[in-house]
Amino acid sequence: DVKVTQSSRYLVKRTGEKVFLECVQDMDHENMFWYRQDPGLGLRLIYFSYDVKMKEKGDIPEGYSVSREKKERFSLILESASTNQTSMYLCASRLRTEAFFGQGTRLTVV
Amino acid sequence: GIQVEQSPPDLILQEGANSTLRCNFSDSVNNLQWFHQNPWGQLINLFYIPSGTKQNGRLSATTVATERYSLLYISSSQTTDSGVYFCAVEDVYTGFQKLVFGTGTRLLVSP
Repeated sequence: DVKVTQSSRYLVKRTGEKVFLECVQDMDHENMFWYRQDPGLGLRLIYFSYDVKMKEKGDIPEGYSVSREKKERFSLILESASTNQTSMYLCASRLRTEAFFGQGTRLTVV
Repeated sequence: GIQVEQSPPDLILQEGANSTLRCNFSDSVNNLQWFHQNPWGQLINLFYIPSGTKQNGRLSATTVATERYSLLYISSSQTTDSGVYFCAVEDVYTGFQKLVFGTGTRLLVSP
């Protein structure tokens, strides 16, 4: 079975902190994605990566950056966390057909 | 970009009832998936179905790509079917296999 693992299920951070959300997949997938999910707004794509060290902005990249140093790991970075980044963050990986998601990280910025 | 609409937005069923969820999309697609988001927030894969019909137990799905819609059927619903159902598509004009999600159908199955 494909496994996509996010490092934390729940996270509470302070405004201004630098926050790292980690995602690891075990299926050698080339494509990895970070989404955020907010009530009434659905799932929106933040960033995606199609290979090691390659990244593309999604629909809402402002305030975020990403890192993909190894194929299996895709990190989302909040450079200076703000309260409007309180959200559910979902990581996904995909080869050609199905995408598979991690369990999600509920981030609260206080 | 491609638009994805799901209906109904909310659905309440008695246990044992059947239901049909619909996903309409505005352009040609390479990929279509159905997901169930459980109460803990995880998205569970139900079907990868860019065209045709598939069945998995009490669930089945049909995609008519030429008419730009997909249907998810739930038969003999159970309380564990509660949650939000999402349809996600990848349009043929964008690269990198981005998935665009619909706004979801929230299903509540009561005992």
